[in-house]
Amino acid sequence: GAGVSQSPSNKVTEKGKDVELRCDPISGHTALYWYRQRLGQGLEFLIYFQGNSAPDKSGLPSDRFSAERTGESVSTLTIQRTQQEDSAVYLCASSLGGGLSTGELFFGEGSRLTVL
Amino acid sequence: GNSVTQMEGPVTLSEEAFLTINCTYTATGYPSLFWYVQYPGEGLQLLLKATKADDKGSNKGFEATYRKETTSFHLEKGSVQVSDSAVYFCALRGGGANNLFFGTGTRLTVIP
Repeated sequence: GAGVSQSPSNKVTEKGKDVELRCDPISGHTALYWYRQRLGQGLEFLIYFQGNSAPDKSGLPSDRFSAERTGESVSTLTIQRTQQEDSAVYLCASSLGGGLSTGELFFGEGSRLTVL
Repeated sequence: GNSVTQMEGPVTLSEEAFLTINCTYTATGYPSLFWYVQYPGEGLQLLLKATKADDKGSNKGFEATYRKETTSFHLEKGSVQVSDSAVYFCALRGGGANNLFFGTGTRLTVIP
């Protein structure tokens, strides 16, 4: 497709289960970002991938969170042993190049995670 | 550190009313500033940006001026339309950062 695609759009899981969220960026975009948005809060940066460079993991909130990206394509965000505070909308974005000189990140519609 | 504080919503306006959504920031160095918009059922998209002090970003009738002296980047539109109903996010990129820092978003509803 033409835009950033995320799946699933909605996920309900039980506390303690593992979840995987997928992001398919725009073709040709070398940079990929994951953000989290909790209810009533701003977007919280999680992780950034740029080409084959080591990812910037500085925003991951705990070691239960991890993400991978295969080359310059699909990325998977994994949350292990989910907790209720992990409930949020997880947003993926991609952009051209490593820098943000244009500031134009292209966002998917997000994956809404609810942990019961 | 870097942070963005924006006006809490929701904001409800009648069509053709004047809109202001306040945004102030804290940043190290000389940040670039952005407004993103999220229309119902869609992903966030860039609305406008400004990369240095006194720059004015504009798009679709919206404007925002980068004010270093007041560390602000308020969004304005002279006459809103029903189609402007959306959530608006102020964001900044600090020098050397890989990511954007976002505000909490302001939901705007325009009624006919």
